[in-house]
Amino acid sequence: DQQVKQNSPSLSVQEGRISILNCDYTNSMFDYFLWYKKYPAEGPTFLISISSIKDKNEDGRFTVFLNKSAKHLSLHIVPSQPGDSAVYFCAASAQGSNYKLTFGKGTLLTVNP
Amino acid sequence: NAGVTQTPKFQVLKTGQSMTLQCAQDMNHEYMSWYRQDPGMGLRLIHYSVGAGITDQGEVPNGYNVSRSTTEDFPLRLLSAAPSQTSVYFCASSAPAGQGVAFFGQGTRLTVV
Repeated sequence: DQQVKQNSPSLSVQEGRISILNCDYTNSMFDYFLWYKKYPAEGPTFLISISSIKDKNEDGRFTVFLNKSAKHLSLHIVPSQPGDSAVYFCAASAQGSNYKLTFGKGTLLTVNP
Repeated sequence: NAGVTQTPKFQVLKTGQSMTLQCAQDMNHEYMSWYRQDPGMGLRLIHYSVGAGITDQGEVPNGYNVSRSTTEDFPLRLLSAAPSQTSVYFCASSAPAGQGVAFFGQGTRLTVV
């Protein structure tokens, strides 16, 4: 049973446009959500996170939105750049267990020049 | 800053052989964990540790052993390698106050033939 779902395996956008990556979760105990970015042959790197007590967190070109009632979060990248091309993983942790992350399967983002 | 260091980067094993994947971190993080990444599967937690001397199983622990004798090191042992253990392995570390933001090593690509 997949607790964190990223239903789009891939996404292609034009440089300068907005990229929207989506993530759904099923476990109501999750209270912290993270996005990781991964380039080929490298480890995942932390991008941005959001606590369940918030509905939005912004960091430069990256914004994460959380809709708790729908158990849905999304990552917005504006404007998208070719260097953003990577696999993006959504991850979640439960209160008191933030040493364990549950990951989605990832979305491959391709930003075309 | 070294961060999380994994060795080796690549390894080929024969079925039945044993080996140890090394992981070291220099951030004085209490939490360390091992994940495996398979195509289309995202990252899955194998084992984790919340401090020296304390380890526990994650989602896919079978065929692997861990120990944590120091804060810095968290080796992963494959007892008798099987083709199903062909994967990319990532070690990660995080701090209790870090809201689960994990820092990952560059990964070990393991092939079992």
